[in-house]
Amino acid sequence: GAGVSQSPRYKVAKRGQDVALRCDPISGHVSLFWYQQALGQGPEFLTYFQNEAQLDKSGLPSDRFFAERPEGSVSTLKIQRTQQEDSAVYLCASSLREITDTQYFGPGTRLTVL
Amino acid sequence: GDSVTQMEGPVTLSEEAFLTINCTYTATGYPSLFWYVQYPGEGLQLLLKATKADDKGSNKGFEATYRKETTSFHLEKGSVQVSDSAVYFCALSLLIQGAQKLVFGQGTRLTINP
Repeated sequence: GAGVSQSPRYKVAKRGQDVALRCDPISGHVSLFWYQQALGQGPEFLTYFQNEAQLDKSGLPSDRFFAERPEGSVSTLKIQRTQQEDSAVYLCASSLREITDTQYFGPGTRLTVL
Repeated sequence: GDSVTQMEGPVTLSEEAFLTINCTYTATGYPSLFWYVQYPGEGLQLLLKATKADDKGSNKGFEATYRKETTSFHLEKGSVQVSDSAVYFCALSLLIQGAQKLVFGQGTRLTINP
């Protein structure tokens, strides 16, 4: 079956622009996670959804970052007024149930802010 | 706080060599432990996992044993292949709000030469 998909795969933005990154999780997966991966580093947790509820957003680096999952399926990570330090790969992952520890990752969106 | 420390890379080996990538963790509870792999141009894939002390995870010839006494989860393979060239991430999971949040190490880049 289809895995986690993300779009766009690559995004170049000028500093100050707003961007929106999309994640399509595996169908039927309850939990959805966003991670940020800086160059040469491991992914770092940003936020977590259980169905449409955002239960943890402790990893969002600033109030310029906003995520939503309005119907409990597709999720969008929005970054307002992008800065150069936002340049990273943004990874989305989903898991079948709330307490399932196996997460399936998408290919990521590489964001470059000029 | 909870964290994962990995052996620094890059690691370069010849084909059929023995591989060890060290991983140690700090956690307040009893996390599950994982190795994820990222092949060039692809997303993160789960390689293996272990959910409790003394468990051994294995897959594709790779093995790792959950050692509570040394807080370690070292990755080993007896004979590496060129196709094993990738970046390897050690991770632990934390149960938060009913879901498992992953905490990753910084990654170890492995190159296997023919």
